[in-house]
Formats: sequence, C-alpha cells, structure tokens
Amino acid sequence: DIVMTQSPDSLAVSLGERVTINCKSSQSVLYSSNKRNYLAWYQQKPGQPPKLIVYWASTRESGVPDRFSGSGSGTDFALTISSLQAEDVAIYYCQQHYGLPLTFGQGTKLEIK
Amino acid sequence: EVYLVESGGGLVQPGGSLRLSCAASGFTFSESWMSWVRQAPGKGLEWVANIKDDGSEESYVDSVKGRFTISRDNAKNSVYLQMRSLSVADTAVYYCARSPHDTKYNWFGPWGQGTLVTVSS
Repeated sequence: DIVMTQSPDSLAVSLGERVTINCKSSQSVLYSSNKRNYLAWYQQKPGQPPKLIVYWASTRESGVPDRFSGSGSGTDFALTISSLQAEDVAIYYCQQHYGLPLTFGQGTKLEIK
Repeated sequence: EVYLVESGGGLVQPGGSLRLSCAASGFTFSESWMSWVRQAPGKGLEWVANIKDDGSEESYVDSVKGRFTISRDNAKNSVYLQMRSLSVADTAVYYCARSPHDTKYNWFGPWGQGTLVTVSS
C-alpha cells in the first residue's frame, strides 16, 4: 500500500497569512506515460463531508477559490493557501490515486491564530 | 447541481448485515465511476470500494474484501454497499462519492452527506 504522510498534523495561522500543508507518499505517484501526478487534496469542515479542491496534484476543482494551489511531483506535494480566510478553517487531506488501495493522509487541522 | 443522498445506516449488532444506498442526480450517472469512503468517529478517511460505470469492475480495500459488495443500478441512478459480518471496526460514517476519472485509480468529488453505521451489541 502507498502510505501518505502529511505534515504538520495541525497548525494555527493568522488571517491573511500564507499556509502550506505538506504531503509525502511512500512511493512515487507520478505516472511516467502521461507525466501526471496522481494526487488529490480535500477540505473537510466540521460536520460536513469532504470537498475536493485539487486533483492531478495542481488542477483546482471548479469553483474553488484561486487562493488554493497544489504543487509538487513524485513523492512530495504541498497545498498552499495564499491568504488565509476565516472560512478556510478545516481539516485537509491528501489522497493518492496511483494504486490500490486508494489511500489518504492522516489529515492536517488548520485553525486561526 | 450534483446531489448524492445516502441512506440505510443505523445500529447493527456484530456479525450482522446492512445495505447502504446512494441516490444520485445532476450528472450522467451511467458514465461515472462511483465510490464508497468511510470515516470512523473522530478519525481520518478510508476508501472502501469503487465500481465502474457499467458495473463490470469492482475494487475493494483488503479489510472489507469478502464481506462487502458494491453494486449499482443505472436505471435507478443508485449505487449500493452490501455489508456482511460487520464488526465494531466497521463503525463509521459512510460516504458515497462520484469518482470523476474513467479508471479505478480515482479521486472523489462530489460527496454525499454520509450515513452513520454503528456496530455495537
């Protein structure tokens, strides 16, 4: 199984500040034939289901604010929020879709400082 | 707008069975892979199973293989999860999700609101 490890487990950031959440896979999720990274990011607010925000490591889902961006390749990835808003308080998960079983990171809890 | 509505959750004794349903609307269901993902109380996300658009291919996480069966009825725009031999470890909110890519190596979006399955004596 591909193990996904996120860091940090939690963080508190001031409004308007930049946020970076990291995700590392135990093996590369870059598919050589199409040069795509099989990595997605989700946001889960309290009491709600997860919401897809990025797929293919850097493609933003329709309707997601452009302050969210995904980056990275191979085994190391990041989700960046350029300017933290109050509504961004949530748990963020990465997920690999390179191999079965499909696996998630343990989650990163984002709070306001 | 896409809607996914799960139903069928509840309290069941260890060793029991339960069938979850997910009704979909707002997209071409018969052309979409579908998945079930679960979340134990206070824990992270775990993919459970997915099924091809025409129902011809299914995949499962090892912990449910032989106990859970995913199926679909494209005429009813619905996907199901038959769960047998349930244990306390299966207690979770079960989410139905559309898997947008056209392979089993998929991501999830959008998601339903989930249905809670509690396995307890």
